[in-house]
Order: sequence, then structure tokens, then C-alpha cells
Amino acid sequence: EPEVTQTPSHQVTQMGQEVILRCVPISNHLYFYWYRQILGQKVEFLVSFYNNEISEKSEIFDDQFSVERPDGSNFTLKIRSTKLEDSAMYFCASSRYLWTGDNEQFFGPGTRLTVL
Amino acid sequence: TQLLEQSPQFLSIQEGENLTVYCNSSSVFSSLQWYRQEPGEGPVLLVTVVTGGEVKKLKRLTFQFGDARKDSSLHITAAQPGDTGLYLCAGAGGNEKLTFGTGTRLTIIP
Repeated sequence: EPEVTQTPSHQVTQMGQEVILRCVPISNHLYFYWYRQILGQKVEFLVSFYNNEISEKSEIFDDQFSVERPDGSNFTLKIRSTKLEDSAMYFCASSRYLWTGDNEQFFGPGTRLTVL
Repeated sequence: TQLLEQSPQFLSIQEGENLTVYCNSSSVFSSLQWYRQEPGEGPVLLVTVVTGGEVKKLKRLTFQFGDARKDSSLHITAAQPGDTGLYLCAGAGGNEKLTFGTGTRLTIIP
């Protein structure tokens, strides 16, 4: 069964460093998403991406964040200068269609980002 | 801002008992999904409900979407230890993002 994959599973970085989290969405999906989950808190939407551009972003997704689909398979989230509060699980998700009520978002296993 | 509140937050019951967990909001959602999440892993989709009043069954799990599409419930019949986990509801408001609930952590005692 097709699945979303994410690498690395765990990333440790120093505050102020840049990190890139990678995702391979399900191959025939067209819409891609990043969510994050701070330990013990809710899963929060960060950004959605379609047709090589951001279609929606939350207030969390500030200028320090960027997303890219550099080739036909990968979808990346970059944090330019990490802060302690960026420590969280980051989940990539993908869906086949725009969320019209009968589509579904499938999540990857997550990357645990630890900022020291 | 759309919010989803789940109750109870924690539930611990004996194997074989029935249970219901709730997902409530003051907002209308175009659809609602239920996920299950294991520690350190991503949410796994269980079901999507779309139509007000819709009921879907997945083996011993029954999901219902409220008539007004503001709330949902998950009922488990004859709970088993394998049902232990964190259950999340997530609503779609017509745009692309999902709004997740606070979660119900379920423990089934053998």
C-alpha cells in the first residue's frame, strides 16, 4: 500500500542553524501539507502546497519557513534559523484532490526535530 | 478560529466494555476525519464522514457525523487491548487545512 515517507526520523540541531525536512508523498497525489505537533499538544497545520506554490499557510508559517518541491517526488520544509520553540514532530501529508469533503489526507511517520 | 474539543481526554476501561468518545465544535465542517496515533508516529486515518447524520462502521468501530456537521462520535463495541491508543478527530472547513481536536487517550485493560 502506498505511503508517505519522511527523512530523517530524528534531527538534532543547534539554535540558529538551518534544517531541511524531507518528505516523499504518495506518487499520484497532487496536494501536499506540513503539520507540526509540539510534545503533548495538538497537531497544527503549517502549510499546504499545490501546483508548485503555497495555497494556504498558517500564522505559524512565518518568513523562517519555506517549502519546495525540487523534483517530481520530494517535498521539503526548510527552517532557516531554528529556534528552541521549533522543537516538535513535523508531519508531512498528501492528498489526491483538493479537500472537498470526500478526499483524505495521509500522513507520514514524522520527523522529530530537537533544537538545542 | 475553528476549534474541536474531544471528550473525554482520557478513558480507561476493561476489555469487553463499550465506549463512546466525542468530538465537538461550534463550527460547521465540510467533513470530519478520525485518526489514530501511536506514540512517536504519524496519525493513521480511520474514516472520513461527510454528510450530516452519516454513520460509518469499521468492524467494532462506529463513527457518526452530527446532523449539523458540528460534532462527531466514535463508538467502540467490546473494546480490546489492541484498541488502546490516541484517537484524534480532524475537521475540514472547506479549505485545505485540517483542524485537529485535542485527542482522547484510550486505554483498554485486559
